[in-house]
Amino acid sequence: DTGVSQNPRHKITKRGQNVTFRCDPISEHNRLYWYRQTLGQGPEFLTYFQNEAQLEKSRLLSDRFSAERPKGSFSTLEIQRTEQGDSAMYLCASSLAAGNGYTFGSGTRLTVV
Amino acid sequence: RKEVEQDPGPFNVPEGATVAFNCTYSNSASQSFFWYRQDCRKEPKLLMSVYSSGNEDGRFTAQLNRASQYISLLIRDSKLSDSATYLCVVTSLAGSYQLTFGKGTKLSVIP
Repeated sequence: DTGVSQNPRHKITKRGQNVTFRCDPISEHNRLYWYRQTLGQGPEFLTYFQNEAQLEKSRLLSDRFSAERPKGSFSTLEIQRTEQGDSAMYLCASSLAAGNGYTFGSGTRLTVV
Repeated sequence: RKEVEQDPGPFNVPEGATVAFNCTYSNSASQSFFWYRQDCRKEPKLLMSVYSSGNEDGRFTAQLNRASQYISLLIRDSKLSDSATYLCVVTSLAGSYQLTFGKGTKLSVIP
């Protein structure tokens, strides 16, 4: 598969639970991004990795959110103590270098009840 | 003021119509510009890059006016399959090269 893969596709969780999402980028892409999209809005930047280093985090990424990219391959995004406001589509994207196009994964749709 | 602002929409047009989307951006340091298309409950996909000289891809024409910080997308002879949300996107080539998206404009092409 040559695309960006995200798992799970859907996640329903109770408020206060922790959730973890996974993103497998295109194998040769060293840049990996997480975005969040709520209904009626465009995607908003959360964080960026170049290889295994997390180089930038948005103010949207509260201390309940943590992202990792061990070994510079797949990445995980964990949300602790979920709140209803965390309900959104979480999108992962990868690219080879600045100026190249992004490839987005299909996203993980989180619903917090 | 949001960094990228688009026509609020939705746009409902008959097949064969010409439709234009407008977008303005506030960061004068923005260096790259794109239109993405997003189908309902799907991920955004790159439709086309936007250049100052203007560029055309079949029925789609994109224009950039750096002085006015304005981007446009024109769709001619619209098809039912063009129904989607169109997202205006800007980025700077510094740092993370993160994309900044507008809210999107929803287009419905009606038979």
